[in-house]
Amino acid sequence: TQLLEQSPQFLSIQEGENLTVYCNSSSVFSSLQWYRQEPGEGPVLLVTVVTGGEVKKLKRLTFQFGDARKDSSLHITAAQPGDTGLYLCAGGRGSQGNLIFGKGTKLSVKP
Amino acid sequence: KAGVTQTPRYLIKTRGQQVTLSCSPISGHRSVSWYQQTPGQGLQFLFEYFSETQRNKGNFPGRFSGRQFSNSRSEMNVSTLELGDSALYLCASSPRGGALSSGANVLTFGAGSRLTVL
Repeated sequence: TQLLEQSPQFLSIQEGENLTVYCNSSSVFSSLQWYRQEPGEGPVLLVTVVTGGEVKKLKRLTFQFGDARKDSSLHITAAQPGDTGLYLCAGGRGSQGNLIFGKGTKLSVKP
Repeated sequence: KAGVTQTPRYLIKTRGQQVTLSCSPISGHRSVSWYQQTPGQGLQFLFEYFSETQRNKGNFPGRFSGRQFSNSRSEMNVSTLELGDSALYLCASSPRGGALSSGANVLTFGAGSRLTVL
């Protein structure tokens, strides 16, 4: 059973469209991180959210942590080809020293 | 400053062989974590080392082992390779060990070592 479920698994859109990807769990997390991974590279941290209901904006990207700290969403406005990549959410729990990752959403933005 | 360096980037082995992967963390980072990434399972935690001590271990068989040296460089070893061990092995460093739950202790990943087992 995957602790963090990401949806959709794959998303192919045209440049300029908006999109939202989701990260859901039945468990509570102390923090939620979003990473983007490009082919041949390791994941790169985009944002960390720690407070239930928290919203963070990073240029065209908006991240939200659910009130109950069980889910998160990433919204991209006016997507660009440079946004193409694998988007991963990762949760931290309690005193554990590792992150739990979702399987990712593979985004393709066509010019 | 230099990022996390993993070597080798690509390697091909046959079943039954063993492999050693190396990771040099960001200068000053004392914690190194290892993850296995496959299309079917995503990123799965292998182990974390801090100050040469294994602090956390994931749910992998004993064929997977690791160590950390006094300069914080880390190696992981997989013995008696199986076809299912084919994956991208990612190393990540962080300034300090312990809980990532607070969000204050973030990971910086290397580009990975892609292992193919034939």
